[in-house]
Amino acid sequence: QKEVEQNSGPLSVPEGAIASLNCTYSDRGSQSFFWYRQYSGKSPELIMFIYSNGDKEDGRFTAQLNKASQYVSLLIRDSQPSDSATYLCAVTSGATNKLIFGTGTLLAVQP
Amino acid sequence: GAVVSQHPSWVICKSGTSVKIECRSLDFQATTMFWYRQFPKQSLMLMATSNEGSKATYEQGVEKDKFLINHASLTLSTLTVTSAHPEDSSFYICSASRGFKETQYFGPGTRLLVL
Repeated sequence: QKEVEQNSGPLSVPEGAIASLNCTYSDRGSQSFFWYRQYSGKSPELIMFIYSNGDKEDGRFTAQLNKASQYVSLLIRDSQPSDSATYLCAVTSGATNKLIFGTGTLLAVQP
Repeated sequence: GAVVSQHPSWVICKSGTSVKIECRSLDFQATTMFWYRQFPKQSLMLMATSNEGSKATYEQGVEKDKFLINHASLTLSTLTVTSAHPEDSSFYICSASRGFKETQYFGPGTRLLVL
């Protein structure tokens, strides 16, 4: 089992819709959870981080964490074509600060 | 802010040569820096973790004698790919954090092509 799993997509949504991106992780000791956005040919850009169970909102983005289910998600409201990118879920485990990345979900927002 | 730069952004070299990549935290002191490698259509793979003034810790399968990492100051880490070969061609990305368990901020990456 992969440590961090994401559906590779592509996930296609129309402009203005809500995009829902999901991620599961295997290490119950994971403490920090991150969503990064990566445009083609570019390095990852931090969108949000979440440490506690529940929801965390920042503008059009909402991260949701459920540690019991080992599940973290990212909702993007009012999706824009500029949101089209690969979204990487990353998790830090145990006592280290190492980031374990999922393979990413490709999001395509159709105008 | 938390800005991380890398230099160069692109490098093309001949097989057998060595290439040095610099990673700088521009507006904060980075106690820890990380080096990743990303092959096309794959996710980021951690190569090594470096703490200022200490030897780098390499991930399993990463040759420490081939990928030399130096973190001599709180704002600069370097990765030297020694005797590069075509299979080393990849996108190398560094990240920096202010401290243990702090958020990592990524540099723009360096694309290496070994001919």
